[in-house]
Amino acid sequence: AQKITQTQPGMFVQEKEAVTLDCTYDTSDPSYGLFWYKQPSSGEMIFLIYQGSYDQQNATEGRYSLNFQKARKSANLVISASQLGDSAMYFCAMTEGYGNNRLAFGKGNQVVVIP
Amino acid sequence: GAVVSQHPSWVICKSGTSVKIECRSLDFQATTMFWYRQFPKQSLMLMATSNEGSKATYEQGVEKDKFLINHASLTLSTLTVTSAHPEDSSFYICSARVAGDRGDDQPQHFGDGTRLSIL
Repeated sequence: AQKITQTQPGMFVQEKEAVTLDCTYDTSDPSYGLFWYKQPSSGEMIFLIYQGSYDQQNATEGRYSLNFQKARKSANLVISASQLGDSAMYFCAMTEGYGNNRLAFGKGNQVVVIP
Repeated sequence: GAVVSQHPSWVICKSGTSVKIECRSLDFQATTMFWYRQFPKQSLMLMATSNEGSKATYEQGVEKDKFLINHASLTLSTLTVTSAHPEDSSFYICSARVAGDRGDDQPQHFGDGTRLSIL
């Protein structure tokens, strides 16, 4: 069964606009962690933001924020004020269970920021 | 901080060659490193978890004898693709993790990946 679901097609975003990338997850473990990574065309994976299952508040890191809706099992990434350098693939990922480091990745969302 | 160096970035070699890829944590110690494989326009698939001083844990379907992993120190893990064939051509990327107090809130830090092409 797919642990992480990212189903949006490729997106074009106007520079300076905000964009929301959808991510839903599936787990029965009460303890889990949710991560978003960015992968530019050069291939490196860049960590953006983390949300723990017990965190009460939505995570924020600069222009990135995570809309965590636990009951819906969704962890959408919001990028505010898009920049040209935000063009990349974005992957949602999850670890399950305390101390379990294994990351399960979704299939990714392609974002292209246009001037 | 938390820089992971992966070498080489590109490898092109003949079928039957064995290829070694190194993954180093430069400014932290990593008791656990991970090896992923990524096909074009697809997600990362975990191949194995590399634990310092012990045998690697391989994911289902990954051939242990084909993909040899050695984690000899707290800063270095190597992946050797033995007798590589064209179907082994892929993007291989490693990651390393620093265990925090809670253990589950620390992200994996990734190397820049290795593009392997077997002719």
